Amino acid sequence: EVQLVQSGAEVRKPGESLRISCKGSGYSFTSYWIIWVRQMPGKGLEWMGRIDPSDSYTNYSPSFQGHVTISADKSISTAYLQWSSLKASDTAMYYCARLGQSRDGYNFDYWGQGTLVTVSS
Amino acid sequence: DIQMTQSPSSLSASVGDRVTITCRASQSISSYLNWYQQIPGKAPKLLIYAASSLQSGVPSRFSGSGSGTDFTLTIRSLQPEDFATYYCQQSYSTPYTFGQGTKLEIK
Repeated sequence: EVQLVQSGAEVRKPGESLRISCKGSGYSFTSYWIIWVRQMPGKGLEWMGRIDPSDSYTNYSPSFQGHVTISADKSISTAYLQWSSLKASDTAMYYCARLGQSRDGYNFDYWGQGTLVTVSS
Repeated sequence: DIQMTQSPSSLSASVGDRVTITCRASQSISSYLNWYQQIPGKAPKLLIYAASSLQSGVPSRFSGSGSGTDFTLTIRSLQPEDFATYYCQQSYSTPYTFGQGTKLEIK
């Protein structure tokens, strides 16, 4: 069974750093890209970026480039999303998902349960 | 970036109704269009990929159609568990953008 299990909820102060994780199981972790999606409170879904776990090549949305870093450790089938200096506006639910592929493009076929990040002084 | 626009933003319907949600892309995206369902407090779930292909395990009352810039998601005979928010998403080019969502509520 394909599963993506994310790390637990986090509370941080503005200016602090944070890394959250997404561990894949039940499939070949290096055969599928992992993507990250942000959902701010009461709002819609925003694609942040993706990583190829086989070589750690990354691709970011311009809206998030420079604000977050996506990485992966294929030896433990885990992808990461990290911030070096959090802002209150980073308060959101963050989802990882597997990037599946079909004849007509890509899709997000399996999702993690989400990690709630709260940034407050 | 490709902009995705859904209509309506919200919709009230009754159990047993047939509903249609529309998604329009700001440029042609061929059939590179997916639909997701999100129940409050849960992660999104893939329903339809490549515009019209039903994801494994998804009930056949869900269907998708369209190509180019205009797409539709149809739910035939609404069930209580279908009341949720629905998102379209293009995978034609990065950034992979979503529509703003359509909230389907019980009438």
